[in-house]
Amino acid sequence: SQELEQSPQSLIVQEGKNLTINCTSSKTLYGLYWYKQKYGEGLIFLMMLQKGGEEKSHEKITAKLDEKKQQSSLHITASQPSHAGIYLCGADNASNTGKLIFGQGTTLQVKP
Amino acid sequence: EAGVAQSPRYKIIEKRQSVAFWCNPISGHATLYWYQQILGQGPKLLIQFQNNGVVDDSQLPKDRFSAERLKGVDSTLKIQPAKLEDSAVYLCASSLDSPLYEQYFGPGTRLTVT
Repeated sequence: SQELEQSPQSLIVQEGKNLTINCTSSKTLYGLYWYKQKYGEGLIFLMMLQKGGEEKSHEKITAKLDEKKQQSSLHITASQPSHAGIYLCGADNASNTGKLIFGQGTTLQVKP
Repeated sequence: EAGVAQSPRYKIIEKRQSVAFWCNPISGHATLYWYQQILGQGPKLLIQFQNNGVVDDSQLPKDRFSAERLKGVDSTLKIQPAKLEDSAVYLCASSLDSPLYEQYFGPGTRLTVT
C-alpha cells in the first residue's frame, strides 16, 4: 500500500526565515494535497497538485510536485507566527478516487 | 458559506460504552468522509459515502464501528462498544461530486476513552 513520509517531523524557525517541508511517496502520486492543522482544529486546505512539475503559490506558501510525481515540497518564505501549526500532505491512493492517505505531519513553530 | 459542522466537539466515555458523532457537510457536497486521527499521526480514512451510498469502508472496524448517511446529507458515526485505542479525533470531511475536488474538513470530535 502507498505510504507518505514527511520530513522533518518538527521544525522551529525564527520569524522571517524561509523553510521547506518535504513529502515523499512510495508510489506515483495521482493527486497531492497540502493541509494545515492547528491543534484541536480541523484541516485547512492549502493547495492541490496533480501534474508532474506543477507549482502553485498562495501568499507566501509555494508547493511543488516533482516530474516523477513521487515527491512534493512546501516552501514558506519569510515565515510569520501565523504560519505555525501542523502541515499534512495527503495523496489519492489510487487514480482519482478521493480516498486520501496522509503523512504523519510536520509541526512548525515560528519564534517571534 | 457554512463549513462542515460536527458535534459534539469533545466526548469522554468509559470503555465498553457507546458513542455517536454527527456531521453536517457543506450544502451540495455529495461526497462525505469520516477520518480517525490518533495523536501524532495523520488522519486515516474510515469510510467514504457518495450521496447515501458507501463507496469504501475497507478500513472501518465493522465489529464495533458503524456509519450511515440517510438521505445523502447528514451522517452519524457510532462506536459500540468503545475501546481504549479508539481515543482519537474523529474528522468529517466533504467534497463536491468529483474526487478531483478538495476535501473540506470539520473541526473534529475529540474522543477520550477511559
